[in-house]
Amino acid sequence: DAGITQSPRHKVTETGTPVTLRCHQTENHRYMYWYRQDPGHGLRLIHYSYGVKDTDKGEVSDGYSVSRSKTEDFLLTLESATSSQTSVYFCAISESYSRTGGYEQYFGPGTRLTVT
Amino acid sequence: LAKTTQPISMDSYEGQEVNITCSHNNIATNDYITWYQQFPSQGPRFIIQGYKTKVTNEVASLFIPADRKSSTLSLPRVSLSDTAVYYCLVAPYNTDKLIFGTGTRLQVFP
Repeated sequence: DAGITQSPRHKVTETGTPVTLRCHQTENHRYMYWYRQDPGHGLRLIHYSYGVKDTDKGEVSDGYSVSRSKTEDFLLTLESATSSQTSVYFCAISESYSRTGGYEQYFGPGTRLTVT
Repeated sequence: LAKTTQPISMDSYEGQEVNITCSHNNIATNDYITWYQQFPSQGPRFIIQGYKTKVTNEVASLFIPADRKSSTLSLPRVSLSDTAVYYCLVAPYNTDKLIFGTGTRLQVFP
């Protein structure tokens, strides 16, 4: 399995508090991603990074910010958590090309966040 | 990125072959077709990828017709452990992001 860890794995927080989720990789992959997964919505891209200090927005970026100061770490911050941000958050990594010539992402184990 | 359409859910029994079809009518020339599998409480994992015709690996086969407007993931002789959500994605080979839909929830019964 690709070396991806997420911390914390579970978190309960109150509305209005800041929350930071961490994704750490040992694969030295260039691209890193944050997704959220909710029932009935599949996986939705929040933000992604294509290099150190290089990030871009995904489909559902409102209320979230990210930072990548090192290749191996990608942080997702909820500045002021709301109940609508209760979800399972997945981090993923990839290189530009897969061994088959296409594109392949590797996912972390996920973080279950509950905002009360 | 090309839009994909796949069934919301499918049921099968152990030992049967399962075929999940994905429609992608606006696929572009440089798009690849990729399938991911997600077990409960885990992140998705890559199953198979192809550009045209047929691709086979130890887990599944992927059939792509000549017009590439659809693709079929084939799982031979499924077992209970194949119960999962299967996502079909279409994206250029040099894309920097993927868009996942809601996938197909496959339930395998004994």
